[in-house]
Amino acid sequence: AAGVIQSPRHLIKEKRETATLKCYPIPRHDTVYWYQQGPGQDPQFLISFYEKMQSDKGSIPDRFSAQQFSDYHSELNMSSLELGDSALYFCASSSRGSGGATDTQYFGPGTRLTVL
Amino acid sequence: AQKVTQAQTEISVVEKEDVTLDCVYETRDTTYYLFWYKQPPSGELVFLIRRNSFDEQNEISGRYSWNFQKSTSSFNFTITASQVVDSAVYFCALSEFNQAGTALIFGKGTTLSVSS
Repeated sequence: AAGVIQSPRHLIKEKRETATLKCYPIPRHDTVYWYQQGPGQDPQFLISFYEKMQSDKGSIPDRFSAQQFSDYHSELNMSSLELGDSALYFCASSSRGSGGATDTQYFGPGTRLTVL
Repeated sequence: AQKVTQAQTEISVVEKEDVTLDCVYETRDTTYYLFWYKQPPSGELVFLIRRNSFDEQNEISGRYSWNFQKSTSSFNFTITASQVVDSAVYFCALSEFNQAGTALIFGKGTTLSVSS
């Protein structure tokens, strides 16, 4: 079965540079989520989109922005990178279940961002 | 507020031992969803199970079983006859019934090491 695709898988940037992470959800999934996982930590929710509209927002820095496009893929844009942004960034997707409940989130393999 | 507590930070067992991973949650909602995810050393997050708050049936899937008890706000995970391939970080997560795109709240994770 098709899974969530994330690119690139690894990214190395210098401080103050910008980075763009891409996410391609499972076909027919309409909701995309972004999570950040620091070393030895649990994933922290950043932001989500349903049908191309921002749905929920977590602890996403103002330096970060994201959007979901008409083909449902999503991009996370990160500017003025800091050393503390080094982490594993996950994208997840889901389809809205019956009764309006959000269904299970399936995660991509992650993008490992290293800021030097 | 929502909260997930996994009190066991690390567990070490020998192959073929049974092991139970504890998860306790807090939520004010009457409708919510509980999940378990596995994160092997390769880093991806693998969905294991989802349980709705209105369904307290326990579930068994091969060597895995889950015990959901609303009275104690617990959703424990048992691996029977553990194997080396079970070595991973296991996360329990909570999602409240809300709109599409609602975030998952993760516990801190339990690192399971199975030795041969």
